[in-house]
Formats: sequence, C-alpha cells, structure tokens
Amino acid sequence: GAVVSQHPSRVICKSGTSVKIECRSLDFQATTMFWYRQFPKQSLMLMATSNEGSKATYEQGVEKDKFLINHASLTLSTLTVTSAHPEDSSFYICSVVRRGADGANVLTFGAGSRLTVL
Amino acid sequence: GEDVEQSLFLSVREGDSSVINCTYTDSSSTYLYWYKQEPGAGLQLLTYIFSNMDMKQDQRLTVLLNKKDKHLSLRIADTQTGDSAIYFCAERAGGSYIPTFGRGTSLIVHP
Repeated sequence: GAVVSQHPSRVICKSGTSVKIECRSLDFQATTMFWYRQFPKQSLMLMATSNEGSKATYEQGVEKDKFLINHASLTLSTLTVTSAHPEDSSFYICSVVRRGADGANVLTFGAGSRLTVL
Repeated sequence: GEDVEQSLFLSVREGDSSVINCTYTDSSSTYLYWYKQEPGAGLQLLTYIFSNMDMKQDQRLTVLLNKKDKHLSLRIADTQTGDSAIYFCAERAGGSYIPTFGRGTSLIVHP
C-alpha cells in the first residue's frame, strides 16, 4: 500500500484564494520531506525541502511567501499556495526518503495533487 | 546543459522489448534510479542500481549501467500496453538525499 499520502488529489480554486495540500508519511517518521512541482512536458522541479520543526529550505527562484511550507510533525508536511493565480496551476508532488531493505536511501513519492486556478 | 538527459518519446509494439536510455554528467553519482509515472499519478520507484554494479535484473526489467560512459538504460521485456507511461531516470551522489531527474521518456505501446 501507499506509504506517502497526499490530499487532495485534485483541487480547483478561484484566483486570489489560498490552497493547502497535505503530505503524510503513513508508516514511518519523516524528518524531511520534499515538495516538487511538475510542469507540462514532464519536467520535475524541486521546490523546497521541508524540515520537521524548522524552516523549509527553498530552491532558488521559488517564492517562500507564495509557497508556504509547514512541517509541524514527523508525519505531516503541508504546502499552502497563497493568493493563487492561474500560473500556479500545476501538479504538486511530495516525497520522502526511505531506507530500503538493502540499506539504500530511495525517494518515495505521493500520488500528487493537481491544482487548477481559474 | 541538463545533468540528466533522456529522449522524450519512445514508441514500441506490444510484445517487443523497450529500451529507454539515459545519460548523466555527475561522475560522483552513487545511486541511479528508474521511476514510472502513469497519467495523473505520482512517481513509482521501479528499480535502482548502485554505481558499483553493471547490471540489475528484476523480472521483466533489466538495468544496465556503463559508468565510464555515464550511460544508464532500462530494458522492458515483452512490453505490454500497461507499460505505457513516462519513465524518469534519476541520479544521486552519496552525500545528498536529493536525486537529479531527467525530463522523462514517454513510452507508448501500441498493438
């Protein structure tokens, strides 16, 4: 079953409103979660690293006041798109690092959240 | 240029083998991954290989790594229509949790 749960899977909102997307790790504690944005034509862009109990680390060019990240517990990180505009419409995916049986660290993704801003 | 490069499209006939290629530039890459993304879904880890390995096979999937040429490939045997998806190659150096992704190869399987 899924180990990373994202909610909602789809959301449509009006321009100027804020939208919150949740990412939960279901069977383990994640001190670090990652938020990606996927643009049309497939490219995947790392937006920020969410750190439990501290501020998120944003990638260059990502507006921290626009994309608010809160990682208040070891199982939950939230991404809030504030004052959303049509150009924020995208597919947002969260991920966590898990250690596999052979000791390798692998990135496990949620199912993604499709945001459409009208 | 991009750190991880893949061709954008691949079309194969059902039952044939598919080979998706990837090149990367980081010589310190320690782990290399293949992810699959079906329409409207997140990325699903298919397989990964350590940089000290040349090949890894898992059922219909075979991963080949040429570290000298920094070339990674994913072979899918007996490709089925359910294999139609976007396949992402990713590489990660040992000191980082964050892999670098290619732009993905859209695999189209037709009857």
